[in-house]
Amino acid sequence: DAAVTQKPRYLIKMKGQEAEMKCIPEKGHTAVFWYQQKQSKELKFLIYFQNQQPLDQIDMVKERFSAVCPSSSLCSLGIRTCEAEDSALYLCSSICPGTDNNQAPLFGEGTRLSVL
Amino acid sequence: GDSVTQTEGLVTLTEGLPVMLNCTYQTIYSNPFLFWYVQHLNESPRLLLKSFTDNKRTEHQGFHATLHKSSSSFHLQKSSAQLSDSALYYCALSMNYNQGKLIFGQGTKLSIKP
Repeated sequence: DAAVTQKPRYLIKMKGQEAEMKCIPEKGHTAVFWYQQKQSKELKFLIYFQNQQPLDQIDMVKERFSAVCPSSSLCSLGIRTCEAEDSALYLCSSICPGTDNNQAPLFGEGTRLSVL
Repeated sequence: GDSVTQTEGLVTLTEGLPVMLNCTYQTIYSNPFLFWYVQHLNESPRLLLKSFTDNKRTEHQGFHATLHKSSSSFHLQKSSAQLSDSALYYCALSMNYNQGKLIFGQGTKLSIKP
């Protein structure tokens, strides 16, 4: 079955600590996206990788997050210094960009971060 | 900029009644892709419907939607609600040049009562 895997499922950090979460995209997918979802609200785009290169990201990610995709099979999203407002569900999605209009981004189960 | 609007934050219906969740969008791009994702409690968003063809009805699992570019709308409908339909529903927009980057609406929580 097609799957995007995210680890860990749950992460608890104290304010000021560093956090890291990982995403294994669906095999063959070369585009990876991260979103932030607070309290079942709107999904907010964070950053996009294509062939392991970051091509688009919001200012908050540039300032406070670290994100890399060292290989096509593993990406990570980190927060350098956690703040309470970072408590959220972090979702990773992947897709194989191309001319197939029938595909859609596939989401992982997410990492739920709680900052105390 | 590009945006998606879902006007209802919460829709509460009795089982068996029809469902309609509103979605409108704004984009300068003439060929957007529109999606509906469903998110059940403690789960990740799962694709429900996708369309990029104007005025063509798309159906899946009893739900249907038609992209109307003239009114920039992609409303989700179902003829008869089931208890298991209770979930968060997100309308989303993407562009052909980057189908993976989704711009989401605020989401509509659908609650079906017996």
